[in-house]
Amino acid sequence: RKEVEQDPGPFNVPEGATVAFNCTYSNSASQSFFWYRQDCRKEPKLLMSVYSSGNEDGRFTAQLNRASQYISLLIRDSKLSDSATYLCVVNDNNNDMRFGAGTRLTVKP
Amino acid sequence: DVKVTQSSRYLVKRTGEKVFLECVQDMDHENMFWYRQDPGLGLRLIYFSYDVKMKEKGDIPEGYSVSREKKERFSLILESASTNQTSMYLCASSFQTGGVRQYFGPGTRLTVT
Repeated sequence: RKEVEQDPGPFNVPEGATVAFNCTYSNSASQSFFWYRQDCRKEPKLLMSVYSSGNEDGRFTAQLNRASQYISLLIRDSKLSDSATYLCVVNDNNNDMRFGAGTRLTVKP
Repeated sequence: DVKVTQSSRYLVKRTGEKVFLECVQDMDHENMFWYRQDPGLGLRLIYFSYDVKMKEKGDIPEGYSVSREKKERFSLILESASTNQTSMYLCASSFQTGGVRQYFGPGTRLTVT
């Protein structure tokens, strides 16, 4: 079983749609959680950290469910520019960052 | 703005060649990392370094070595390149250990023929 699992997609949604991705992790000792965004042929860049109480950044909302060991990312009012691969990253406060393989999102006009 | 640069965007090498991938960061970060990224597998850690001349093995160190002679520079070495090392190589840095943001370089797409 992979340590961090994501649905690879692709998720194809129209502009303006709401889309959600989940990510499950296997290490119950994990302490830090992130969503990174990776555009085609580019490097990953931090989208947002995920806090225990959940957090929002504009159209993006991240949630953490420790009991079920998953994190989620919700994107509201999707834009064409949201098309990318979204990587779930989990860390146990060592230098042990575990990356999911990513979920590909395509937003269509 | 943090900048992490890698020496090449694309590289083609022959089987058995020694390959050097260079990474430089300009933010005085303590920690530097080398990953490879393959479709369906995500990023896998090859080696990391938390200080000059210090290195730690990641999940897949076999066939690789690293060098960190200066704080800003972290090199990945493929001693004898093989076709299964064809991949995207990403360098990253962070200012401390633990669950903090990593900053990535643009990546080097290496093809070994």
